[in-house]
Amino acid sequence: KAGVTQTPRYLIKTRGQQVTLSCSPISGHRSVSWYQQTPGQGLQFLFEYFSETQRNKGNFPGRFSGRQFSNSRSEMNVSTLELGDSALYLCASSPGPPTETQYFGPGTRLLVL
Amino acid sequence: QKEVEQNSGPLSVPEGAIASLNCTYSDRGSQSFFWYRQYSGKSPELIMFIYSNGDKEDGRFTAQLNKASQYVSLLIRDSQPSDSATYLCAGTTAGNKLTFGGGTRVLVKP
Repeated sequence: KAGVTQTPRYLIKTRGQQVTLSCSPISGHRSVSWYQQTPGQGLQFLFEYFSETQRNKGNFPGRFSGRQFSNSRSEMNVSTLELGDSALYLCASSPGPPTETQYFGPGTRLLVL
Repeated sequence: QKEVEQNSGPLSVPEGAIASLNCTYSDRGSQSFFWYRQYSGKSPELIMFIYSNGDKEDGRFTAQLNKASQYVSLLIRDSQPSDSATYLCAGTTAGNKLTFGGGTRVLVKP
């Protein structure tokens, strides 16, 4: 089976712009979780989708949003980018609930200038 | 208090020795625990998971869970330079979320 894929892998944006990141889970997996990883804060949970429904959300401002499609692919969007949004954004998929084993994609490295 | 805590390290171990990593958690309702390894610049990869009290062995890795004391540990036997990485502990917490600790950096010296 192919692993979790994320596009794009690298992205450079400027403050105030918006960005959309994409994640394709492992075939058959229905849950997709998103995380932000920075050197200072570690791996922080953004949100989780299961069967197109957002079931959990982390403590991030409303500028961060996401959605999941019927084929389980997921996108996350960050509007009005700030310098502090520079991070590695990781997507993870699991067969069912996120409490099952999660498998990570390679991540999207976002740099905000 | 963070929900899942780890010593940030670095934990320096000589090649061939046992590396011992610890993780504590605050939510007594946590049921499932996972250890991930992350090389610099890469995404986390699963090493193993543990649900029940006691030990679970997989190759050179042994995970230990003690729910009464609320800690999880990972032992790496016969440590190799290729084991040098950051090890992330994660546990399910309230609201059915997977919460990660800050990670422990391990350095295996030849």
